[in-house]
Amino acid sequence: EVQLVESGGGLVQPGRSMKLSCAASGFTFSDYYMAWVRQAPKKGLEWVASISYEGSSTYYGDSVKGRFTISRDNAKSTLYLQMNSLRSEDTATYYCARRVGSWREVDYWGQGVMVTVSS
Amino acid sequence: DTVLTQSPALAVSPGERVSISCRASEGVNSYMHWYQQKPGQQPKLLIYKASNLASGVPARFSGSGSGTDFTLTIDPVEADDTATYFCQQSWNDPTFGGGTKLELK
Repeated sequence: EVQLVESGGGLVQPGRSMKLSCAASGFTFSDYYMAWVRQAPKKGLEWVASISYEGSSTYYGDSVKGRFTISRDNAKSTLYLQMNSLRSEDTATYYCARRVGSWREVDYWGQGVMVTVSS
Repeated sequence: DTVLTQSPALAVSPGERVSISCRASEGVNSYMHWYQQKPGQQPKLLIYKASNLASGVPARFSGSGSGTDFTLTIDPVEADDTATYFCQQSWNDPTFGGGTKLELK
């Protein structure tokens, strides 16, 4: 069974940093692109970042470019999101997502982890 | 960025047919996918590549369209289908529609 379990969220002050982790199991982690997608309270979905199989290629949404870094450790089957210079508008539930093959849809989502940026 | 436009909300009665639309600001070929999100839950993939049913999804759900205009159809609608439905394109840098909240009368 595919499982994606996020951790590392919570309350953080504006301007500070936080690192999210996503532990994957039930599939060969290195065979898939992975991504982070977020959802602000009562809002829609926003693609934050994605990373290729070995981590050599990354993509960032404009709102996080230069502040967030996505990475992965295939030996540990774990995805990360390092978030720096956090702003109130980064407050959201962050979902770990598995992106599939040729059509690039997301076929599995984690339960999500809440990040609240507030003083 | 490719902007995806969805109607904010729809209300239908159980047993009826409902169509949820998604319009892209530019052509996305068939790289359109649909997700269902129930309150307090993560999204779930329903349709990929515009018209392909994801594994385990009931045949009541179907998708159609190409280019800029896409539709998710549920026929017949059941009470359990109360949720918000999002479209997402992956032809260009990935973007999501704003979501359509489906309510049952």
